[in-house]
Amino acid sequence: GAVVSQHPSRVICKSGTSVKIECRSLDFQATTMFWYRQFPKQSLMLMATSNEGSKATYEQGVEKDKFLINHASLTLSTLTVTSAHPEDSSFYICSCTGTGQGEQYFGPGTRLTVT
Amino acid sequence: QKEVEQNSGPLSVPEGAIASLNCTYSDRGSQSFFWYRQYSGKSPELIMFIYSNGDKEDGRFTAQLNKASQYVSLLIRDSQPSDSATYLCAGGLFGNEKLTFGTGTRLTIIP
Repeated sequence: GAVVSQHPSRVICKSGTSVKIECRSLDFQATTMFWYRQFPKQSLMLMATSNEGSKATYEQGVEKDKFLINHASLTLSTLTVTSAHPEDSSFYICSCTGTGQGEQYFGPGTRLTVT
Repeated sequence: QKEVEQNSGPLSVPEGAIASLNCTYSDRGSQSFFWYRQYSGKSPELIMFIYSNGDKEDGRFTAQLNKASQYVSLLIRDSQPSDSATYLCAGGLFGNEKLTFGTGTRLTIIP
């Protein structure tokens, strides 16, 4: 299967600061990348869909000005959590697709803790 | 509203037995279906995908799709303790559209 990396794997930040998470597809070109959030013992929640070179499409209820997504190339997408608050503490996971069958390959995730 | 439903479990199966995970979906337009495994604290890992009616086998795993009944299942033969995880079912269209995920079934293999 395709390999997707995320960086950092864990981050602790203070309330009010911004955090950037990188997602890279290492061995294929990802035309579409997805960003998810998962709280403990809950299911995946899709935050947004991003296509290379265009604006991300956010799911209902997700603040686009708070969660900035940039998909600058076919192998890199970034999620920036701006003015983070403790309630933003969660497991953020990206996924990539591009093979045409629709399957998504997930990165290892980034655990964000806002103090 | 597109929905994918799974039994939340937990499901406990003795080691060596067959584990059967089930999923139903509401959108008849869904064309492809995916099974992911997620260990606690980790991200989901793709196990199999299926888009044709019938069975698809890969090692100890068999995915089954019945579009008329809008039903997808995953069978795990010769269950091992390492199969203990949450299994996510997802449905979608071909291409790069978003998937609709179920809430997952937690499976425990009892040694």
